Amino acid sequence: QVQLVQSGAEVKKPGASVKVSCKASGYTFTSYGISWVRQAPGQGLEWMGWISAYNGNTNYAQKLQGRVTMTTDTSTSTAYMELRSLRSDDTAVYYCAADGSGTAPIYWGQGTLVTVSS
Amino acid sequence: QSALTQPASVSGSPGQSITISCTGTSSDVGSYNLVSWYQQHPGKAPKLMIYEVSKRPSGVSNRFSGSKSGNTASLTISGLQAEDEADYYCCSYAGSSTLRFGGGTKLTVL
Repeated sequence: QVQLVQSGAEVKKPGASVKVSCKASGYTFTSYGISWVRQAPGQGLEWMGWISAYNGNTNYAQKLQGRVTMTTDTSTSTAYMELRSLRSDDTAVYYCAADGSGTAPIYWGQGTLVTVSS
Repeated sequence: QSALTQPASVSGSPGQSITISCTGTSSDVGSYNLVSWYQQHPGKAPKLMIYEVSKRPSGVSNRFSGSKSGNTASLTISGLQAEDEADYYCCSYAGSSTLRFGGGTKLTVL
């Protein structure tokens, strides 16, 4: 069965960077893209961007352009999301999700809580 | 780039049907048959319930159905059950390889 397993919770100071990993199994990694979605405490879902696991093409949400980088490592079937210049309002649970062509996240990871606090 | 508009909450009794609306614009919901719906229980990851407006993934109950008219998409849950109590989010393709989520709707089963 398809599984996406994310790295553990992180606590970061404002201005720092965080890199979240997402290891996929149960399918051919390059057959699906990976979407990243975050959810601030008590808030709704926010789409962050998508990366093709086939060729590495990326699309980022405009508000995160310049601060976010999404990458994949096909040798380990792992996707990564790095967010820089962290602010307190970046505190959220970050999810990865297998998403065929970037139109509907299908299979979701368990989420990674990133807390930004001084 | 505002979120799609959903009612904050809806409620219904077991066995009843409810509908959750998701209003966008001609740039997202109205332009593409690429609306999906997600169910999220507290502390859990979202689960895909409907994709491409009205298609159900394997394993999702046929009590869940989706539709769209103009700039508004809808999720209908028939024969409400206690386990349907959750938050529901719509999501639409918004062009230029971007997605847009709704603000979420809390469903309470009375």
